[in-house]
This record gives sequence, C-alpha cells and structure tokens, in this order.
Amino acid sequence: KAGVTQTPRYLIKTRGQQVTLSCSPISGHRSVSWYQQTPGQGLQFLFEYFSETQRNKGNFPGRFSGRQFSNSRSEMNVSTLELGDSALYLCASSSGWDEQYFGPGTRLTVT
Amino acid sequence: AQSVTQLGSHVSVSEGALVLLRCNYSSSVPPYLFWYVQYPNQGLQLLLKYTTGATLVKGINGFEAEFKKSETSFHLTKPSAHMSDAAEYFCAVSERFGQAGTALIFGKGTTLSVSS
Repeated sequence: KAGVTQTPRYLIKTRGQQVTLSCSPISGHRSVSWYQQTPGQGLQFLFEYFSETQRNKGNFPGRFSGRQFSNSRSEMNVSTLELGDSALYLCASSSGWDEQYFGPGTRLTVT
Repeated sequence: AQSVTQLGSHVSVSEGALVLLRCNYSSSVPPYLFWYVQYPNQGLQLLLKYTTGATLVKGINGFEAEFKKSETSFHLTKPSAHMSDAAEYFCAVSERFGQAGTALIFGKGTTLSVSS
C-alpha cells in the first residue's frame, strides 16, 4: 500500500502571500489530520477532516484553513503568510481511532 | 486537557548500550499512547502504540515500551543501541473528542545520539 504523500515537499513564499498544501492519504483512510512542526513550539495539531467535514480544530488563527475532497485527499491553505508560519507541515491519515500515519511533510519557508 | 512530558531533550548513548527515553502523560481518561521516530528531513514513523490490554508493547526495530498507570509513564527502551537509531523521538497521547475524532498531543521530543 502506498503511504501518505504530500506535495510540494518544499516551498518558499513571501510575507502576505497565500499557500496551498496537498495531502493524499493511504488508500481507504477517511481521516486526514494536519500538524505544524516548528523548533520553538514543537508539533501542534491544526485540524482533522473526516468524510469531507472538519471534525475538530486546534488553536490556530482563521488564516489556517483546510478542506477534504470526496476521494479523501485534503488541502490546507494559509492566507496572509507571516514569518512565523515557516514550519514543516505534516499530514497524517487514519482508518480509525488509533494510530495515525504521517507523510514526509511540506517544508514552508516564508521570507 | 491532556499533555505529554518528555524528560531530557537530548540523550547520548554508546553503540550497544541500553536506550531509555522517558515519557510521562497527563490524561483524565484511559490514554492511547504512541511513540514516533523522526529522521532528518522526514515525517514521523510509528514505533509502537498502547491502547488497551498488555502493558508491555513491542514495536519495530527492537523497541518496546511499558505503560505504567500508577506512574503515568510510557518509557521507551531498547536493549542495545545501533548507530541507525540516532533520530528524534516523540511520545504522544491521543486526545479523543467523542464522535468528533482525535488529535495527537505530542511531547517536545528527545534527540537520541549514538556514538561508536
């Protein structure tokens, strides 16, 4: 089975721009979660989608949003980028209530 | 709210020595606990998990962890370190929102260095 894939792997954007990151879950997994990883704050939960619906959301501003498509692929969007948004964004998929399988991440650099 | 504390941001061992990475959790409900490993420029790989049942769980690459409810701990061990074990290790607890899904709450991570 193919693992979780994320595109692009690396991205450089300028402050004020917006960005869209993509995630394809493991086949058959209906839950997709997003996490932000930074040296200062560590790994933080952004949001989770299940069957095209956002089920829960972490403590991030409204500039961070996402969506899920009928094939379970997910995108997250960050608008009005700030320098502090520079991070590794990780997507994880799950088939149920326990373990999550992570993709390789998208490294976003905001200049 | 649940939380995870990993004691020691850096641990250094010699090749062949015991690896012990410490994790304590705070949870108001029976926890689901996980250890993940992250190699440079990669995502997280699941090492092992505890949900219910046997408190000593075995994972990949010779790692194991023991759930101790009385100590609210879930320490990760490996009897003999290998150079390839050098990586960052994260302990996590699953926060469940009833029918509203789950979210992983991670510790700050422990960097394991292995010297020859």
